[in-house]
Amino acid sequence: EVQVVESGGGLVQPGGSLRLSCTVSGFTFSGSWMSWVRQSPGKGLEWVGNTNPAGSEQYYVDHVRGRFTISRDNTKNSLYLQMNNLRDEDTAVYYCARDFATRTSDYWGRGTLVTVSS
Amino acid sequence: DIQMTQSPSSLSASVGDRVTITCRASQRIGNNLNWYQQKPGTAPKLLIYTASTLQSGVPSRFSASGSGTDFTLTLNGVQPEDFATYSCQQSYSTPRTFGQGTRVEMK
Repeated sequence: EVQVVESGGGLVQPGGSLRLSCTVSGFTFSGSWMSWVRQSPGKGLEWVGNTNPAGSEQYYVDHVRGRFTISRDNTKNSLYLQMNNLRDEDTAVYYCARDFATRTSDYWGRGTLVTVSS
Repeated sequence: DIQMTQSPSSLSASVGDRVTITCRASQRIGNNLNWYQQKPGTAPKLLIYTASTLQSGVPSRFSASGSGTDFTLTLNGVQPEDFATYSCQQSYSTPRTFGQGTRVEMK
């Protein structure tokens, strides 16, 4: 059975930092592209970025590039999202998802809520 | 970035109705289009990829078509469990943008 579990969300002040984690099981994590997708309250989905299986390539949406960093530890079946200089508009539920060959996300976690507020 | 525009933003339907949702890309994306279903408080669920391929386990009442810039998702015979929000996503280029979503509500 596939499991994708995000953690690390919480309340953080503007300008602060937070590190999200995603731990998976049930598929070959080390062979999978992985993505982060977020959803602001009452809004649509937004792709944040992804990384290749080796963790040597990362791609980001423009307005998080330079502030967010995606990394992974294949020995721990874990994906990470380091978020720095957080802004109010980064408030969202953050989902971790596996990508397969067609750059489509098929397995998703339940998400973790990040609230940026003073 | 490629902009994805869905219509309508919301619709009301009765059980058994046929429902069609459209998604338009701001530039040609071939067949690199996915459809997701999302219910409140839950993660998105992949329904369709490469514009018309049904994901394993998805009921055959869901179908989709399109290529280039114009795409459709059709539900033939809406069931109670289908009331949800549906979103398209292009996987042609980074960033992999989503449409704003279409909420299907019970009439």
